[in-house]
Amino acid sequence: DTGVSQDPRHKITKRGQNVTFRCDPISEHNRLYWYRQTLGQGPEFLTYFQNEAQLEKSRLLSDRFSAERPKGSFSTLEIQRTEQGDSAMYLCASSLGGLTDTQYFGPGTRLTVL
Amino acid sequence: GENVEQHPSTLSVQEGDSAVIKCTYSDSASNYFPWYKQELGKRPQLIIDIRSNVGEKKDQRIAVTLNKTAKHFSLHITETQPEDSAVYFCAASTLGSSGSARQLTFGSGTQLTVLP
Repeated sequence: DTGVSQDPRHKITKRGQNVTFRCDPISEHNRLYWYRQTLGQGPEFLTYFQNEAQLEKSRLLSDRFSAERPKGSFSTLEIQRTEQGDSAMYLCASSLGGLTDTQYFGPGTRLTVL
Repeated sequence: GENVEQHPSTLSVQEGDSAVIKCTYSDSASNYFPWYKQELGKRPQLIIDIRSNVGEKKDQRIAVTLNKTAKHFSLHITETQPEDSAVYFCAASTLGSSGSARQLTFGSGTQLTVLP
């Protein structure tokens, strides 16, 4: 499968615990995006990277959230001290950049905070 | 920031009929407008997109129109089939100087049901 992949697909955690998600973009895509989607809503932008540089962060990304893309390939999204309101689907997308900017989404990680 | 509104939230049509979904956006600087289809439990998949230098784009049974003056764009699906049933999202983005999308602001989605 050469599409965007995410791991894990599902995560159940207790309030206050830390969780980390991983996203592997399509090979050679230099732009990587994180979105959050709650039930019945469209995805909401969280942050994006061009190569290893984090170029933009949404106000939705509180201090408890941190994202990295250390080598410009895969990315991780960590949520510290999870809250019930963090329960959502976390989607990753990647694009080639330049004139070809179509964002291709991964299958998402569904987080449930008990 | 950008705000995208999408209507209707639900739409039921008979197989073979046409379906139209409409979106409005607030930021006049937005110049890239993709549409995604999301089936239950699956990832959003791009079905068509349009850039602001074009007023209309068509791909087989799917077409998108853009009115920059009114800041609205629409998705048209003709000859609908049961497999078209899904949630459809519109989105708007401002392209950076390199031509790459910076971020997408999505509408709230339309649940399309095609009745056989």
